[in-house]
Amino acid sequence: AQSVTQPDIHITVSEGASLELRCNYSYGATPYLFWYVQSPGQGLQLLLKYFSGDTLVQGIKGFEAEFKRSQSSFNLRKPSVHWSDAAEYFCAVGTGGFKTIFGAGTRLFVKA
Amino acid sequence: GAGVSQSPRYKVAKRGQDVALRCDPISGHVSLFWYQQALGQGPEFLTYFQNEAQLDKSGLPSDRFFAERPEGSVSTLKIQRTQQEDSAVYLCASSPGDGNSPLHFGNGTRLTVT
Repeated sequence: AQSVTQPDIHITVSEGASLELRCNYSYGATPYLFWYVQSPGQGLQLLLKYFSGDTLVQGIKGFEAEFKRSQSSFNLRKPSVHWSDAAEYFCAVGTGGFKTIFGAGTRLFVKA
Repeated sequence: GAGVSQSPRYKVAKRGQDVALRCDPISGHVSLFWYQQALGQGPEFLTYFQNEAQLDKSGLPSDRFFAERPEGSVSTLKIQRTQQEDSAVYLCASSPGDGNSPLHFGNGTRLTVT
């Protein structure tokens, strides 16, 4: 069965430091992969997506993610975190049908 | 342009009451999805519409949950005889394509059943 695992429930980084959020997926075929961000009381906003081609994808707000098929991973990165990046981040996989399956999320805290 | 609009933003219901949650998707979006997000969890798929056709309702937790999209635009998620375990945020999303297209989410309806 398709699944998405985000091993870190929460992460704290200092403002200006680099960030990496981990995501592992289980899916039999080439996946469609997404990262979404959710601020408190808001819906989810798409950060970036991977469908095919270049395994390093760029997104909004300075985020990027790298698809590694051998590791079934799609980790999200940002070189320098800003206080406004504090939010919950969800990795998701499109299953080739109608469902997008989400991980449980990683809450990012940014300290001054 | 306008995004996905959901109403009400908050709903408190007594156990046993029926509730109706509304979703107004982005104009022209063919696909509409309902997700349930429990506290501290990721969104869980409930159901999917392509235009007015409900193509997948496998995620609806029980027959107390019912969704419709009669004219292929606005959708309503109805929960009958609410239970405490129904307390969650209900998210609506739309997209121009299928589930592999990025989803555009509304801000959700937070349902609290007392």
